[in-house]
Amino acid sequence: QKEVEQNSGPLSVPEGAIASLNCTYSDRGSQSFFWYRQYSGKSPELIMSIYSNGDKEDGRFTAQLNKASQYVSLLIRDSQPSDSATYLCAPMGTASKLTFGTGTRLQVTL
Amino acid sequence: KAGVTQTPRYLIKTRGQQVTLSCSPISGHRSVSWYQQTPGQGLQFLFEYFSETQRNKGNFPGRFSGRQFSNSRSEMNVSTLELGDSALYLCASSLSGGDYGYTFGSGTRLTVV
Repeated sequence: QKEVEQNSGPLSVPEGAIASLNCTYSDRGSQSFFWYRQYSGKSPELIMSIYSNGDKEDGRFTAQLNKASQYVSLLIRDSQPSDSATYLCAPMGTASKLTFGTGTRLQVTL
Repeated sequence: KAGVTQTPRYLIKTRGQQVTLSCSPISGHRSVSWYQQTPGQGLQFLFEYFSETQRNKGNFPGRFSGRQFSNSRSEMNVSTLELGDSALYLCASSLSGGDYGYTFGSGTRLTVV
């Protein structure tokens, strides 16, 4: 079992729609969870962090966490073509080790 | 505020050589982590340093090593390069242990021929 699992995609959504990105993790000791966005040829950029169960909203982004199910998700509302990128889920496990999933490639179509 | 600076941006090396990559973290950040990114494996954790001490190490052979200096700058070294070491090497820094996330540098693209 991989430590962090994400659907590789591509996930294709029309402009203005909601994009839903999912992630499961295996380390039950994980307490902090991060979503990074990576454009092709660029380095990852932190876009959301979540630490407790429930939802956290920041602009068009909502992160959701369910520690009992070991599940994290990211919703992007009103998707824009500029949101087209790879989204990486990264739980912070024990001993400050940030483990990344392989990412979900999102394509927002006009 | 300057971001995480990695040098050089690009490197071409021959099999068997060694290479040293440098990372200057954001001012005030004491934790530096290194990652290898390849198309097939994604982002793989190499090691993490905090206040000059290696706190974590990933599952890489001993050819991969690193260090951190008193000013928090970090270097990683790869000896006896193999073709499979061709990758994007990313450095990331955080204030302490990464509880608030890491900020990544632009990376060093290493090509081994």
